[in-house]
Amino acid sequence: QQQVKQSPQSLIVQKGGISIINCAYENTAFDYFPWYQQFPGKGPALLIAIRPDVSEKKEGRFTISFNKSAKQFSLHIMDSQPGDSATYFCAASKGAQKLVFGQGTRLTINP
Amino acid sequence: DGGITQSPKYLFRKEGQNVTLSCEQNLNHDAMYWYRQDPGQGLRLIYYSQIVNDFQKGDIAEGYSVSREKKESFPLTVTSAQKNPTAFYLCASAGQGVLYGYTFGSGTRLTVV
Repeated sequence: QQQVKQSPQSLIVQKGGISIINCAYENTAFDYFPWYQQFPGKGPALLIAIRPDVSEKKEGRFTISFNKSAKQFSLHIMDSQPGDSATYFCAASKGAQKLVFGQGTRLTINP
Repeated sequence: DGGITQSPKYLFRKEGQNVTLSCEQNLNHDAMYWYRQDPGQGLRLIYYSQIVNDFQKGDIAEGYSVSREKKESFPLTVTSAQKNPTAFYLCASAGQGVLYGYTFGSGTRLTVV
C-alpha cells in the first residue's frame, strides 16, 4: 500500500518531443505528489509538485497531470531539450509522513 | 545561503573500517533523512529523524548507525558490518509536514578499497 510504481525505467526522446513519465500509487491517503530531477553525481532537486485537489499543474515546460480516481499521476516535459536529460523520481506522502519514492526514470533527450 | 551540506564529496574506506559521513543543514528543518543510491537504482531509505534525539530505521538500516544530537546535524556511520558499502549516499531535510518537499545535499560517494 505504501508503494509508488514508476514507469518507464528509461526513456529516449528526440529534441523537441514530449517526454511522459507515469506513476501509480495505492494509498488513497497520499496528499502530496512531488517530482524530483537528478543530474549525474548530484542530489535530486524538487522540480514540481501537486496536491490531489487539482488535476493539473504547469510550470514552464513541465506539467503534472493527476488522476485521483485512477490513482495515477504523470510528468509531461514539453519541447524536451538535451539539458533535460536526467533521472526523474516521482514521490508521494501523507500529511507529515516521509516521502515514498518511485524507482526513477532515466531520460535521455537526443539532439 | 540556506542549504544542506554533505561532506566529504568522495570517501574511501578500507575493509573493516568504520567511516562517518557528515550532513549539516541551516534550513531550520526538523526532519532529516539518509538514502543510499546504487548505480542506475532508486533511493533506498537508511535512517530518518523527525526530531532531535530521536531516529528510526528505514528499509536498509543494517550496518549503519546515526545520531541526532543537534537539529542541524545528522551524521551517518557506515560500520564494518555493512558488507557492500560502495554507493552514493544522499542526505535530505524537510520542514514541518514536508509541505515543500525534501531538500537534498549533493551527496557523498563512498568506495571500498
